[in-house]
Amino acid sequence: GDSVTQMEGPVTLSEEAFLTINCTYTATGYPSLFWYVQYPGEGLQLLLKATKADDKGSNKGFEATYRKETTSFHLEKGSVQVSDSAVYFCALLGSSNTGKLIFGQGTTLQVKP
Amino acid sequence: GAGVSQSPRYKVAKRGQDVALRCDPISGHVSLFWYQQALGQGPEFLTYFQNEAQLDKSGLPSDRFFAERPEGSVSTLKIQRTQQEDSAVYLCASSFPARPPYEQYFGPGTRLTVT
Repeated sequence: GDSVTQMEGPVTLSEEAFLTINCTYTATGYPSLFWYVQYPGEGLQLLLKATKADDKGSNKGFEATYRKETTSFHLEKGSVQVSDSAVYFCALLGSSNTGKLIFGQGTTLQVKP
Repeated sequence: GAGVSQSPRYKVAKRGQDVALRCDPISGHVSLFWYQQALGQGPEFLTYFQNEAQLDKSGLPSDRFFAERPEGSVSTLKIQRTQQEDSAVYLCASSFPARPPYEQYFGPGTRLTVT
């Protein structure tokens, strides 16, 4: 079945460091891919998405490119801030066509000043 | 309000009690989803509604779990005879279109603790 695997956390970085959070997926067909972010005490928010191969999703300085050949959707940011500290979830739209999202286990990012 | 709201935000239940969790989606959103998020894990799909029709309930873990959306807006997730393994955050999400790519908007969740 469809699944998502994320790198284990926590990831601890200093402010202005480069961020990569790896995400790979297994799915039939060509699923849409998403990154969601969960700030402390808040609900999940959509960060960015890509709906087809080679699409690049971007938002708030974060980027991720849909790589069909490596079945990956790694999240990157050139210079992280303390306010980026949160849990990041990679997700794909399942092949059931009912819109259910399949999430990875989440990666906690802690940015220190 | 502009977003998805859920109530209560926190619920403590004794094992064996029944609980009801409410979700108010964004007005006009056709699709509604329930997810269960265990501590330290990603959300897992429970069930999906399109308007009042429950089109997918493949993720409900047992027949103790029941969801409804009778008028196509507010939804209730009911758990009967709660067990300790039901302790989790229950997330509701809504989406306007009834077709992919389903940009889902999540509520803050209800944290259920079964003692």
